[in-house]
Amino acid sequence: QSALTQPASVSGSPGQSLTISCTGTNDDIGSSYLVSWYQQYPGKAPKLIIYGASQRPSGVSNRFSGSRSANTASLTISGLQAEDEADYYCCSYTGRLSWVFGGGTKLAVL
Amino acid sequence: EVQLAESGGGLVQPGGSLRLSCAPSGFTFSGAAMHWVRQAPGKGLEWVARIWSDGGSISYPDSVKGRFTISRDNVKNVLYLQMNSLRAEDTAIYYCARDSDYAFANWGQGSLVIVSS
Repeated sequence: QSALTQPASVSGSPGQSLTISCTGTNDDIGSSYLVSWYQQYPGKAPKLIIYGASQRPSGVSNRFSGSRSANTASLTISGLQAEDEADYYCCSYTGRLSWVFGGGTKLAVL
Repeated sequence: EVQLAESGGGLVQPGGSLRLSCAPSGFTFSGAAMHWVRQAPGKGLEWVARIWSDGGSISYPDSVKGRFTISRDNVKNVLYLQMNSLRAEDTAIYYCARDSDYAFANWGQGSLVIVSS
């Protein structure tokens, strides 16, 4: 199972909105709404911010939103803040009792 | 509050074995599917193993299949990862994670495994 494809890095200014894409295949994102997104700060464990492609866990800011279309999932961060600077990973359940992650995207807030 | 605490990491020679443990608290362990996820130094996340709440269903990616074994003790409330035939490329921080809706809802702080001679 190949890793999902994410841009290596993205950047934005405070207050802006930006979107991180996550591209898979018909065997993962294309056949499953069970896409999740994680935020990770350096030296820390990842934190779940989106599950089920578009659901937010309790306590996660509503500035984070997710969507899925065909073989691509997207994470949108609105009203960008300095504290959003982190690594972001997508993940998809493949439907064959396995999970696959994206390579990760480093977000810089300029 | 859900908490997960990994232990058992360390330095091991190539070809050696190591067993990681994960101690959960703050939720009903026997009712939760659990995973191990790893992260090589400076690299991304990789799913390593999953076990259903009753231990009846287990799965692995090809990269560790036949070498790693996930197990759980729902009486002692402990999750394990037995790692055999370790290779340099298994060097990573290993996280245990609680499954919720097929996502990794809660993570431990991680346990570092270094495979080197």
